[in-house]
Amino acid sequence: EVQLVESGGGLVQPARSLRLSCAASGFTLGEYAMHWVRQAPGKGLEWVSGISWNSGDIAYADSVQGRFTISRDNAKQSLYLQMNSLRSEDSALYYCARTAGPDYRNAEFDSWGQGTLVSVSS
Amino acid sequence: YVLTQPPSVSVAPGETARITCGGNNIESKTVHWYQQRPGQAPVLVISNDSGRPSGVPERFSGSNSGNTATLSISRVEAGDEADYYCQVWDGSSDQDVFGTGTKVTVL
Repeated sequence: EVQLVESGGGLVQPARSLRLSCAASGFTLGEYAMHWVRQAPGKGLEWVSGISWNSGDIAYADSVQGRFTISRDNAKQSLYLQMNSLRSEDSALYYCARTAGPDYRNAEFDSWGQGTLVSVSS
Repeated sequence: YVLTQPPSVSVAPGETARITCGGNNIESKTVHWYQQRPGQAPVLVISNDSGRPSGVPERFSGSNSGNTATLSISRVEAGDEADYYCQVWDGSSDQDVFGTGTKVTVL
């Protein structure tokens, strides 16, 4: 069974940093591209970042470009999101999602975790 | 790239719900649809415009033409009550985009 478990969320002050993790099981992470998607309370889904199977291709939403860094360790079956210079508008539930293939482009998100909550407030 | 959905759709049990996703020349893109029940993570219900992942009821179908993609749910049940999102990858920006979301209410 495919499982994605996010962790690392919490309450953080503006301008500080936080690192999210996503532990994958039930499949070989290195065969799939992965994404981070967030959802502010009561709001819609917002794509954050995507990474190809070998980290060769990476993309970010304009809202996080230059502040967030996506990475992965296939040997550890883990995906990460380093979030720097956090703002109040980054407060959201952060999901990791698996793409149905090795390339993050033009592919559906076929499995999702349950999310980890990030709250940015002083 | 902007994807526009109606905020809400109401439908009686047994009827058909149609949820639209509007975008400039969206027919040139590949559209995926997700269902999100309250308090739960999204679930893929339609891939590649009209494909139905394993386990998704045949009542769910999709189409994509012109500037509008459509998710149809026939013989609507109470359990279909959820938020629905369309999604595409925009090649010009190399970014994925989600629609604004539609809340489906079963009367």
